[in-house]
Amino acid sequence: TQLLEQSPQFLSIQEGENLTVYCNSSSVFSSLQWYRQEPGEGPVLLVTVVTGGEVKKLKRLTFQFGDARKDSSLHITAAQPGDTGLYLCAGAKNTNAGKSTFGDGTTLTVKP
Amino acid sequence: ETGVTQTPRHLVMGMTNKKSLKCEQHLGHNAMYWYKQSAKKPLELMFVYSLEERVENNSVPSRFSPECPNSSHLFLHLHTLQPEDSALYLCASSQDFQWADTQYFGPGTRLTVL
Repeated sequence: TQLLEQSPQFLSIQEGENLTVYCNSSSVFSSLQWYRQEPGEGPVLLVTVVTGGEVKKLKRLTFQFGDARKDSSLHITAAQPGDTGLYLCAGAKNTNAGKSTFGDGTTLTVKP
Repeated sequence: ETGVTQTPRHLVMGMTNKKSLKCEQHLGHNAMYWYKQSAKKPLELMFVYSLEERVENNSVPSRFSPECPNSSHLFLHLHTLQPEDSALYLCASSQDFQWADTQYFGPGTRLTVL
């Protein structure tokens, strides 16, 4: 059973465009994290959201945690080739120690 | 540079070989993890060590054998693997094995089993 579903699975856009990727679940999470993974590297943490409805901004990236803490979105404004990579969301539950559940990722390609 | 290193970065082995993957963290963390990342599948948690004690084993076949000699080092010993075991193996560490602790990942070992 896939607890965290990410969409779209693949996204190819031109430099300068905006995009949104989604992470959805039927489960409630205590926190949700977004990672970016570049080819040949491990995932690198971008942000952690913990409060329902929370919005965090990291330069051109805006992250939102759903009010019910079951879903999240990542919006990128004016995408750049350096944003290319695999975006992973991961949910954690305070009843589950350090075991996070990962989504299957969105592969983003930003063309110059 | 996340403070977690893995060696080797690439490994090709036959099904009868024995090899080991190494992970080292320089962050002073108490928990270390092994994950398997296959194409088009979510990261699969394999093992977790907390304070050098194995606290999680996610039904991983016995051909994978972890070892944690101290809180900074983690090994994954491989024996009699199958082609479907080919994947990126990621090591991670966190301050403790708590839900709120951030996990820091190494660059991974790309394993190919022939």
